[in-house]
Amino acid sequence: NAGVMQNPRHLVRRRGQEARLRCSPMKGHSHVYWYRQLPEEGLKFMVYLQKENIIDESGMPKERFSAEFPKEGPSILRIQQVVRGDSAAYFCASSPGQITGGIRETQYFGPGTRLLVL
Amino acid sequence: RKEVEQDPGPFNVPEGATVAFNCTYSNSASQSFFWYRQDCRKEPKLLMSVYSSGNEDGRFTAQLNRASQYISLLIRDSKLSDSATYLCVFDFRSNDYKLSFGAGTTVTVRA
Repeated sequence: NAGVMQNPRHLVRRRGQEARLRCSPMKGHSHVYWYRQLPEEGLKFMVYLQKENIIDESGMPKERFSAEFPKEGPSILRIQQVVRGDSAAYFCASSPGQITGGIRETQYFGPGTRLLVL
Repeated sequence: RKEVEQDPGPFNVPEGATVAFNCTYSNSASQSFFWYRQDCRKEPKLLMSVYSSGNEDGRFTAQLNRASQYISLLIRDSKLSDSATYLCVFDFRSNDYKLSFGAGTTVTVRA
């Protein structure tokens, strides 16, 4: 049973280029979350998606960042015109999305994509 | 005040020692609490949930103090493999999907 998969694991971009990060959730999971981790900091929530729907993007920068989770295929986090400050580890997590006994199902994390902007 | 604050450490302990650390949170409405473990440059993995009555999983014991708004993690009989960064995590309500992460407490167990 494959876990959450992310690719690429490492991505190097020059300032102004586009970065596309992919996430395939665990089998049976229909909820995807993206987090960003800057060096020496905790993970910060970015966006929560279900199939074909963005539920909450309150943690996403207003410009240059977008996310989607199409009916078929992986979730994509897209960063346009990258800047050095975008360098970070981007983690995707997935969950079944159900609430059992009042507690939301645990989120399982992928290995992350480490983006380096030169 | 930050949403969640952790002592970054590092806590350097010998094998077999007991190590404990806390995490404070600012939102009194928070209901679900977790400890995640993150190894260097890897993804966070759930270590254990933290229940109101406190709970134990092998050598790990988690406690919740709602009055003082902190959770704690205690590791007994430390192993070399316990060396990692421990992340305090919570969500604000049981039906909220946003997890808030502390920056982590680093534990290094030496032989």
